Amino acid sequence: SQELEQSPQSLIVQEGKNLTINCTSSKTLYGLYWYKQKYGEGLIFLMMLQKGGEEKSHEKITAKLDEKKQQSSLHITASQPSHAGIYLCGADWSGNTGKLIFGQGTTLQVKP
Amino acid sequence: DTAVSQTPKYLVTQMGNDKSIKCEQNLGHDTMYWYKQDSKKFLKIMFSYNNKELIINETVPNRFSPKSPDKAHLNLHINSLELGDSAVYFCASSQAGTTIFFGSGTQLSVL
Repeated sequence: SQELEQSPQSLIVQEGKNLTINCTSSKTLYGLYWYKQKYGEGLIFLMMLQKGGEEKSHEKITAKLDEKKQQSSLHITASQPSHAGIYLCGADWSGNTGKLIFGQGTTLQVKP
Repeated sequence: DTAVSQTPKYLVTQMGNDKSIKCEQNLGHDTMYWYKQDSKKFLKIMFSYNNKELIINETVPNRFSPKSPDKAHLNLHINSLELGDSAVYFCASSQAGTTIFFGSGTQLSVL
């Protein structure tokens, strides 16, 4: 069966600290999406990775996809309270259908 | 301008009622989706439409009927609402395998 595991499930960090969220797929990914969800604001697109070894950055957030295209990590540098929310990874295993299978999410709290 | 907009944002209703959620995208995308997020935050696809044609139907009960009057709109109609239908429903859109953009969600509470 196709599975997507996200870890950790929750994370509390002190402001200014770095953190990493992982997403592991049971099979090779066509694409891997990262989204952030804040209450009442829907899902905010962060990054999409498609190539093995790909790495993308936006402001203080960096996402990587491993060479085998089965594992992705999201790294936040010098976390801020504005980074708090639920981070979701979404796997595209089929390509082109738009059907994403999501992980269970990681709830991030950043303490000032 | 909101790229994917859905209404209403909150919907509270009684069991047995029929309700609709509307979705519109102004991105010119050819594919639209409905996803459901349950109380444990699991997000699962329900339907997808490409140019008004149903592409994905993930074994959703017949009480849920999506309707796409044109490729910029995908509405979700739910008949005979049940307690278990309480969730957050997200509309989304994309263009041929590119980034999927989500709306802000409709929180449905069935009492």
